[in-house]
Amino acid sequence: GQQVMQIPQYQHVQEGEDFTTYCNSSTTLSNIQWYKQRPGGHPVFLIQLVKSGEVKKQKRLTFQFGEAKKNSSLHITATQTTDVGTYFCAVSTRGGGSNYKLTFGKGTLLTVNP
Amino acid sequence: NAGVMQNPRHLVRRRGQEARLRCSPMKGHSHVYWYRQLPEEGLKFMVYLQKENIIDESGMPKERFSAEFPKEGPSILRIQQVVRGDSAAYFCASSEGLHHIQYFGAGTRLSVL
Repeated sequence: GQQVMQIPQYQHVQEGEDFTTYCNSSTTLSNIQWYKQRPGGHPVFLIQLVKSGEVKKQKRLTFQFGEAKKNSSLHITATQTTDVGTYFCAVSTRGGGSNYKLTFGKGTLLTVNP
Repeated sequence: NAGVMQNPRHLVRRRGQEARLRCSPMKGHSHVYWYRQLPEEGLKFMVYLQKENIIDESGMPKERFSAEFPKEGPSILRIQQVVRGDSAAYFCASSEGLHHIQYFGAGTRLSVL
């Protein structure tokens, strides 16, 4: 089935430093979604990217979808302690018939030293 | 508009007992998904349901696990004769339609003693 590789697995930064996590697929993706999960919490939807080369921004977060639609990145500028958590990418994959399900990357755990 | 509601939040069972996890989707959502998350891992798809129908259960273990989404009431994930390896966080998500964003509940943390 569809797999997405997410790197790095862990990232520790000083507050104020930037952070980037990457998601890669061997096949072309129809779309990609990003979620954030705080420690002990549940995944919270951040954004969905659909178009080739798409770039979307949410305050200090920048999301990119590769031109070939095989990779994506999430970049956080000037991290804050509130950014701590695990960031997952997820792709829609076709299940039986016409239905879809989300396949998640393993996530990148971000810790921020104040 | 209430979010996806899951209960219980924490569930402790002894080996061999049954676990029942409940999920009420967001208002207006007719698509329900169940995922399992082991410690320090991503979420693994288990099953996708619509009202009274199982659409895709390709991620469900063949034995001991079952899911339903009745016409009335919440979706239920049932695990019979639990074993220690079933200990995990189980998340439910719902969406408005097939290609719509999935919104997650707070999860049920199952611990098997």
